[in-house]
Amino acid sequence: DQQVKQNSPSLSVQEGRISILNCDYTNSMFDYFLWYKKYPAEGPTFLISISSIKDKNEDGRFTVFLNKSAKHLSLHIVPSQPGDSAVYFCAASPYAAGGTSYGKLTFGQGTILTVHP
Amino acid sequence: GAGVSQSPRYKVAKRGQDVALRCDPISGHVSLFWYQQALGQGPEFLTYFQNEAQLDKSGLPSDRFFAERPEGSVSTLKIQRTQQEDSAVYLCASSPPYSNQGYFGPGTRLTVL
Repeated sequence: DQQVKQNSPSLSVQEGRISILNCDYTNSMFDYFLWYKKYPAEGPTFLISISSIKDKNEDGRFTVFLNKSAKHLSLHIVPSQPGDSAVYFCAASPYAAGGTSYGKLTFGQGTILTVHP
Repeated sequence: GAGVSQSPRYKVAKRGQDVALRCDPISGHVSLFWYQQALGQGPEFLTYFQNEAQLDKSGLPSDRFFAERPEGSVSTLKIQRTQQEDSAVYLCASSPPYSNQGYFGPGTRLTVL
């Protein structure tokens, strides 16, 4: 039962263009969503997050959009740079301050982004 | 360094051997998580500690997997009688209080022959 899905295994874009990575989830209990970036032989690195009370969060070249009714989020990178080439993971967490599930992340399968010079 | 560290980075074990994987979280982070990442997949939750208390071990695949964090800092994930399906990257993450953002270590790649 894949609660977080990234249906595109890979994405290839030209430098300077927009990269759009998509993620769908099924669990209505998810309240907080994160994107991680992973280079080979390294652990995932936090990129950007969004709470379910918002529909957009922006940080420099990275913007995350959340459509709660559709249980869909997306990460936009603009402009894309060759250094952005990595695996991107979408992750979701239920909000339970002080509870046992606090911070527990459910990940998608990842999307390999390649940005060509 | 100030990040999460894990050792060893690579471990090759013969089927049936026991292994122990270590995680040093960021100082002051009360939450510690272990994840298992199979090839081509996203990380999957194994277990969660808040300080020394193991509050959630629902993701541990079998009773061959055991984790501890006796003093609320360093954690060890132990796998007994390893099997080929245990081959994966084991990731440790720590979080500061009241944060959903995990800081991940580089992982330990376990290969069981």
